[in-house]
Amino acid sequence: EAGVAQSPRYKIIEKRQSVAFWCNPISGHATLYWYQQILGQGPKLLIQFQNNGVVDDSQLPKDRFSAERLKGVDSTLKIQPAKLEDSAVYLCASSTQVKAEAFFGQGTRLTVV
Amino acid sequence: RKEVEQDPGPFNVPEGATVAFNCTYSNSASQSFFWYRQDCRKEPKLLMSVYSSGNEDGRFTAQLNRASQYISLLIRDSKLSDSATYLCAVNRDDKIIFGKGTRLHILP
Repeated sequence: EAGVAQSPRYKIIEKRQSVAFWCNPISGHATLYWYQQILGQGPKLLIQFQNNGVVDDSQLPKDRFSAERLKGVDSTLKIQPAKLEDSAVYLCASSTQVKAEAFFGQGTRLTVV
Repeated sequence: RKEVEQDPGPFNVPEGATVAFNCTYSNSASQSFFWYRQDCRKEPKLLMSVYSSGNEDGRFTAQLNRASQYISLLIRDSKLSDSATYLCAVNRDDKIIFGKGTRLHILP
């Protein structure tokens, strides 16, 4: 079974530029999560989708971050404009249902300079 | 108080020893619990789910104490390959919340 796919693996941008990350969850997984992990910290939930609806986005900085999950499958996370403190690994995860364990993609390592 | 708390470590443990980590959670409505392992510069990988009755998978044992609101992970006969960060995760209101992780170094 294919795992969660993310791209790109690495991205370096200048502050105030925009960037987008893509995620394809495990086939059949209805729940999709985007987490931000800063070095030395645990993953922080940014947004959670159930199919193509948002379940929780309370921790998403909505002035600069946006996310969508069209057709309940792939998802994109966008940052515009980026700040230095956005440098982190952005992890996508999916699960079969909201109470089940989540499986992670390899993440996108973002460096903002 | 953070919702999920872990001792960040590092725990430096000789090979073959037994090591235990605890993780406390603040919300009594939390419904499911997990331990993840994360290697350096890699994504978290599910180690085991934690059931009310406790569960064991080879050298790993997980326990849940709802009354005191903590979960534990016990690693017996530790191997060099067990060196990693262990993340505790709690499902609350259908969201999976992670602790900061506990770093474990197994020493030869």
